[in-house]
Amino acid sequence: GENVEQHPSTLSVQEGDSAVIKCTYSDSASNYFPWYKQELGKRPQLIIDIRSNVGEKKDQRIAVTLNKTAKHFSLHITETQPEDSAVYFCAASSGGADGLTFGKGTHLIIQP
Amino acid sequence: EAGVAQSPRYKIIEKRQSVAFWCNPISGHATLYWYQQILGQGPKLLIQFQNNGVVDDSQLPKDRFSAERLKGVDSTLKIQPAKLEDSAVYLCASSSRPLAGPSTDTQYFGPGTRLTVL
Repeated sequence: GENVEQHPSTLSVQEGDSAVIKCTYSDSASNYFPWYKQELGKRPQLIIDIRSNVGEKKDQRIAVTLNKTAKHFSLHITETQPEDSAVYFCAASSGGADGLTFGKGTHLIIQP
Repeated sequence: EAGVAQSPRYKIIEKRQSVAFWCNPISGHATLYWYQQILGQGPKLLIQFQNNGVVDDSQLPKDRFSAERLKGVDSTLKIQPAKLEDSAVYLCASSSRPLAGPSTDTQYFGPGTRLTVL
């Protein structure tokens, strides 16, 4: 089955700086890669996703890049703000409404 | 549009007792998922339904866990008997594939049920 590795487990950045979280996956059949943000005690919320026919996708301060050859994808957050503090999860699936395999999460801390 | 609903929000039981969780997906969503999220980890898929049929239950501990979605809408997840290691948040999610246009795989999560087994 699919295996998703996520790094780092904790990331502390100064407010206004950029943050990058990286994930690798094992199943070459995976073609859908969402990123979820989860605040303490809350449900995971989708913040951005990318499909295998696209190399990069951007939404305001958030961008995701995908390298299918290397089987890795990354989340980039620019101009970080205090409200970006949360746990971020990457995930992968073979699409078609298949179940997601999640990474272990990155605790992003924005230092004032 | 109403989101995914789950109940109860919290449950505390003793080990070897049984417990059931309920989920109501977003209206019209044919696909429903149950995930288990242990503290400090990412969600882990337990079971996936397409309408009222099981698509994937390969990670469901079938000796103690069961789930059903009899009418293709609401779903229940049951644990009997519970073990200490079942303490986790149980998340329900749903997604839909539109009849026309590009497919979407977006999964929308409910608030979860936090289970504590003592």
